[in-house]
Amino acid sequence: GAVVSQHPSWVICKSGTSVKIECRSLDFQATTMFWYRQFPKQSLMLMATSNEGSKATYEQGVEKDKFLINHASLTLSTLTVTSAHPEDSSFYICSASLRQGVPDTQYFGPGTRLTVL
Amino acid sequence: GIQVEQSPPDLILQEGANSTLRCNFSDSVNNLQWFHQNPWGQLINLFYIPSGTKQNGRLSATTVATERYSLLYISSSQTTDSGVYFCAVEPLNDYKLSFGAGTTVTVRA
Repeated sequence: GAVVSQHPSWVICKSGTSVKIECRSLDFQATTMFWYRQFPKQSLMLMATSNEGSKATYEQGVEKDKFLINHASLTLSTLTVTSAHPEDSSFYICSASLRQGVPDTQYFGPGTRLTVL
Repeated sequence: GIQVEQSPPDLILQEGANSTLRCNFSDSVNNLQWFHQNPWGQLINLFYIPSGTKQNGRLSATTVATERYSLLYISSSQTTDSGVYFCAVEPLNDYKLSFGAGTTVTVRA
């Protein structure tokens, strides 16, 4: 149980285009989903937290207008990288949690590798 | 914010060897998780262990919350254990995970 999927697994796009990444909880309803970014040989950095039906909360230094997050249902959250540039190339990972605002295990998706040319 | 330090940063093991990874954290926590990130990037939950000791096969973990550290033990290591091991903590009054820098484990046949 507690499986999280991401689509696509990898994407290559041209500079200036937008890319949408989907995160789905397959066998449970996730009240809270998290989006992380990981550069090569580095740790995971939290970008934003999304709760179903409400606006995402972004971490300091993360541009809201560049990284659009939508959590439209209890099983789906999307991250759209708008007007992507080469510096946005990274590994993006989502996670999902069963309970909102209380300690709980986070389950992670397999990640999406974004390369912006 | 809370600081999470993992040691050692790198570990090279011969197949069959045992090892201990350490995670120190700077403040009280609600939650502590250990993850293994495989070479393809997938993060695999190993333990949810805010306190106490747990075992799962060749892996076990102990968290001493009062002393703010956790240990991950790998016994009889196999090449499939290679990858990066992350410790992540959830501070009190905050449900977000803060990750350590990770320990890169390489198990040689």
